[in-house]
Amino acid sequence: QKEVEQNSGPLSVPEGAIASLNCTYSDRGSQSFFWYRQYSGKSPELIMSIYSNGDKEDGRFTAQLNKASQYVSLLIRDSQPSDSATYLCASHFNDYKLSFGAGTTVTVRA
Amino acid sequence: DADVTQTPRNRITKTGKRIMLECSQTKGHDRMYWYRQDPGLGLRLIYYSFDVKDINKGEISDGYSVSRQAQAKFSLSLESAIPNQTALYFCATSDPRVAGEEQYFGPGTRLTVT
Repeated sequence: QKEVEQNSGPLSVPEGAIASLNCTYSDRGSQSFFWYRQYSGKSPELIMSIYSNGDKEDGRFTAQLNKASQYVSLLIRDSQPSDSATYLCASHFNDYKLSFGAGTTVTVRA
Repeated sequence: DADVTQTPRNRITKTGKRIMLECSQTKGHDRMYWYRQDPGLGLRLIYYSFDVKDINKGEISDGYSVSRQAQAKFSLSLESAIPNQTALYFCATSDPRVAGEEQYFGPGTRLTVT
C-alpha cells in the first residue's frame, strides 16, 4: 500500500478558477505535511507546509489538513497559467523519511 | 547563488560505466538525501545521511553507493550503470532543528544510460 496517494489527474482548469488537489496518507502518526510544486524538468519547490488540523492560507494557496480522515488538500484560487505544474504531496512518516505522492499535473487554460 | 547545487546537470553514459553525481550545499544543514524521479512514480529515496559519519540506505539503494565527504558534500555513485537507472536525480537537505523539517532540493541531474 502506497503511503501517500494523490488524485491522479491530470487536472485542467480555466484561468481564474479554483484548482483543488487531494492527498491521503496511510500513517496516523504523521505530523508534517507538505505541498511541493514542480515545473517540467525542474526541481520540487516547497510552497506550503501544514502541521495542525484546519486551514492554512498563503496568498492564493490554501492547505487543509484533516488528521482524523488522514486527508490533506491544496486549493489554488484565481488560477494563473504560471500555476501549470505538477504538485507533489509529501508527509513525514518518521524521523527522516519524507514520502511523496506520485504528483498531480495541473494545466491552467488561458 | 543556489543553496544546493548538483553536478553535472546532464549526463549521458554507457552501460557498465562508473559515474558519480555530486551535491554541495551552503545551507549548513546536517541532513542530506539522494532521490531519483521516474515518470509516474514520484520521488524515491536512494540514500540519506544525518551527518558525516551516518549514512543509511533508502528504499531503492541497490546499484548505488554514496560518500559524505563533508557536512556540505554528498556524492552518489553508480558503480556499473544500467539503462533502468536512467532518471532524474535530486539531492536534498534538511535541518532537524527546524519545526517540520522541510527538505530543500537541488536543481537535479538528468542521467541517461545507453
